Amino acid sequence: GQQLNQSPQSMFIQEGEDVSMNCTSSSIFNTWLWYKQDPGEGPVLLIALYKAGELTSNGRLTAQFGITRKDSFLNISASIPSDVGIYFCAGRQGYSTLTFGKGTMLLVSP
Amino acid sequence: EAGVVQSPRYKIIEKKQPVAFWCNPISGHNTLYWYRQNLGQGPELLIRYENEEAVDDSQLPKDRFSAERLKGVDSTLKIQPAELGDSAVYLCASSGLASQETQYFGPGTRLLVL
Repeated sequence: GQQLNQSPQSMFIQEGEDVSMNCTSSSIFNTWLWYKQDPGEGPVLLIALYKAGELTSNGRLTAQFGITRKDSFLNISASIPSDVGIYFCAGRQGYSTLTFGKGTMLLVSP
Repeated sequence: EAGVVQSPRYKIIEKKQPVAFWCNPISGHNTLYWYRQNLGQGPELLIRYENEEAVDDSQLPKDRFSAERLKGVDSTLKIQPAELGDSAVYLCASSGLASQETQYFGPGTRLLVL
């Protein structure tokens, strides 16, 4: 099946630092999504991207839909302790189901 | 607005026992999804319903897993008999009719099979 390669697997940063993570695929997707999952909860949608090259922001979060349609990036600026969690990318082709990456675990030290 | 409700939140059973999970989607959402999330992995789709019809169950292990959504609202996912490898988080999500719409996830049921 399709696979998404998400990196890094984990990050441990200081409060106030910027964070970057990315997701790549061997397949083309026409939708890229970024979710955050807190411990004991389900994933929550952060940003949705629908067009190649699209750059979308949600507060301190910015995500981009790669030009090749095979990758996406998520940046978090000025991290705070509540940013701690697991960030998942997910891709979709047409009206098919979502394929999720394995997640990036983010830890933020106060 | 109430989110997706799942119960139980936790379940511990012995192998070979049956287990069932319940999901109540967001009101008005026609599409309902069951995902399985193994430790350290992202969610993987088990089955997708459009109203009461299962439109994608290709990843559902049909020898032991079954699901139903009889009235197009609540749904139940069952495992019988459970195996050790079934230990995982079972997530339910719902969205509007168009499959492009945002999926909203419930908190999940954490299953441990001993």
